[in-house]
This record gives sequence, C-alpha cells and structure tokens, in this order.
Amino acid sequence: QVQLVQSGAEVKKPGSSVKVSCKTSGDTLRTYTFSWVRQAPGQGLEWMGRINPLLSMTNYTQNFQGRITITADKSTNTVYMELRSLRFDDTAVYYCAREGVWGWAHWGQGTLVTVSS
Amino acid sequence: DIVMTQSPDSLAVSLGERATINCKSSQSVLYSSNNKNYLAWYQQKPGQPPKLLIYWASTRESGVPYRFSGSGSGTDFTLTISSLQAEDVAIYYCQQYYFLPLTFGGGTKVEIK
Repeated sequence: QVQLVQSGAEVKKPGSSVKVSCKTSGDTLRTYTFSWVRQAPGQGLEWMGRINPLLSMTNYTQNFQGRITITADKSTNTVYMELRSLRFDDTAVYYCAREGVWGWAHWGQGTLVTVSS
Repeated sequence: DIVMTQSPDSLAVSLGERATINCKSSQSVLYSSNNKNYLAWYQQKPGQPPKLLIYWASTRESGVPYRFSGSGSGTDFTLTISSLQAEDVAIYYCQQYYFLPLTFGGGTKVEIK
C-alpha cells in the first residue's frame, strides 16, 4: 500500500524558513515525480513545484521562485520542501502528492505551517 | 499559465438529486498524441487531503462510486454526481496536469439542500 507520511506541524516566525518532509513507502522515488501543493485556510489548492528524483529535475511555479527548494533523498525515500523568507500569508497546510498520468491518487496527510510573530 | 475556472462556486442539491459542476480551462488540455485530456477531478472533505475521483477527464478511479462521472474534452469539462448522497458533501476541484505550472480550479462546494 502506497503511503506518503509528512512531518508534523510547525510554527515559524516571519522571515525564517521551514522544511517539510514527505516519506514514501517502497522505492517509489526512482519511478515517480512528486509535487507539493499548499492550501491556505479556507482557500483552494495551489501547486508549488515538483521533483523527479530519478532525473534530478525540479520545476517551480513563478509565485515561489527564489524562495522554494524541493529535494529528494533516495536512500531514505523522502522528499523535502523548503520555503524561505516566510510571510504571514504562507500560513497553510502543505501537501505532498505522487504524480501519475492517471491523476494524483496518493497524497500525504498534510502539514500545517503557521507563520506567527 | 492555464487558468481553470469552475462554476458554480457552491451548490445545494437535495439528497438523491443530480449535482453538476463545470470546469473550463483557458487552453486545451487534450494531448493529441494519445487523445487524452489531462484533466482530473478531486473531492476534498474538511481536514483531509484531496481524493482522486476522475482522471483523463472521464475515467473513474478504482473504488469511486458509479454515481460520479466526468465528461468533456479540450477546454470544457463536467463532473456529475448522479444521485447525491450525504457523504458527498465536500469541495470538488478540477486540475489540469499537462502544462506547467500545474493548476487547479477554485473549487465548488457541494451541500445538501
């Protein structure tokens, strides 16, 4: 059974950074691309970026260029998303998801990141 | 960027009645090489991640009830719940997963009338 298990909730100050992890089951990092999506309170879904660990390729949306880095550690089957220079409006639930041409059937449980002074 | 526009923003439907949600993309998401529309529908309930319902615009994900169906091609798509059940109360999102940046519709909230 495919599982994506994310790290726990974080509270961060404005201007700091957060790094959220997403541990996958099995050896899926060599086969799939993983995306990060965030959802601000009461808002919709916003794609942030993705990584293909096998090809070491990343893509980011313009909204986060320069502030986001997505990495993968194939030895631990874990994908990471780091967001820097946090602002109050970065408060959101952050999800990892395993991409597929048949849609995204596998998602992490979500990690709440709260930016507060 | 491809903009995904959903309508309505919310709708209230009686139990057992039909619910119809529309999604329009600003560019075609039909990939001519395989004649597939890279359009998915997700259901999200409070406190949960999105759940895949439909991919390739009309293919039901394994385990999804038959009352959920998707249709459309190119730029215009529809998600239909043929007979609304209480457990279908949720927010529904369309997503194009062909062009970067990948984009979602704004969501449609479905409630019981």
